[in-house]
Amino acid sequence: GENVEQHPSTLSVQEGDSAVIKCTYSDSASNYFPWYKQELGKRPQLIIDIRSNVGEKKDQRIAVTLNKTAKHFSLHITETQPEDSAVYFCAAGGGTDKLIFGTGTRLQVFP
Amino acid sequence: NAGVTQTPKFRVLKTGQSMTLLCAQDMNHEYMYWYRQDPGMGLRLIHYSVGEGTTAKGEVPDGYNVSRLKKQNFLLGLESAAPSQTSVYFCASSYYQVMNTEAFFGQGTRLTVV
Repeated sequence: GENVEQHPSTLSVQEGDSAVIKCTYSDSASNYFPWYKQELGKRPQLIIDIRSNVGEKKDQRIAVTLNKTAKHFSLHITETQPEDSAVYFCAAGGGTDKLIFGTGTRLQVFP
Repeated sequence: NAGVTQTPKFRVLKTGQSMTLLCAQDMNHEYMYWYRQDPGMGLRLIHYSVGEGTTAKGEVPDGYNVSRLKKQNFLLGLESAAPSQTSVYFCASSYYQVMNTEAFFGQGTRLTVV
């Protein structure tokens, strides 16, 4: 079945540094790759997404890259701030009607 | 605009009891989903629906049933609760196929089975 692996499970960075989270998916038919941010006790919310016809997408301090050949996609956060601290989930969809999530990365940004 | 609302927010059940979680959305979305979130395991899809009157199994459907009698509501039932079903449950909805549009989540239901 479909599977999405996400690494690392935890990530600690100093404020101002960059953070990178990587995901690998198994379903070659997947063509939609969103990233969700979940703050403590809150619901997951979409922060950025990318479709298979695009290799990279940026939105201010966050960017996502996609390598369809290798079935890899990554989230890049630059100039991290304490408010970036949260759990980040990658997901893959499009092969079926299902959106399959990774296991999450807890990002801690220290002042 | 309420978005996606889940009822209840918290619940404690005894083993063997039954309950129903309600998800309501006011965005006229076609697709609705139920996920469970457990530490270190991300969000796992339990069941989903691609339209009124339809349901389908996700990754972890055993022990759960669902119904979508009205487009705006998606119910998740536990017929005989087990401690392994202790989790945070999230409902989500999207306008069309999830691969094309954003999925909006409810605020979650924290369920404890003792």
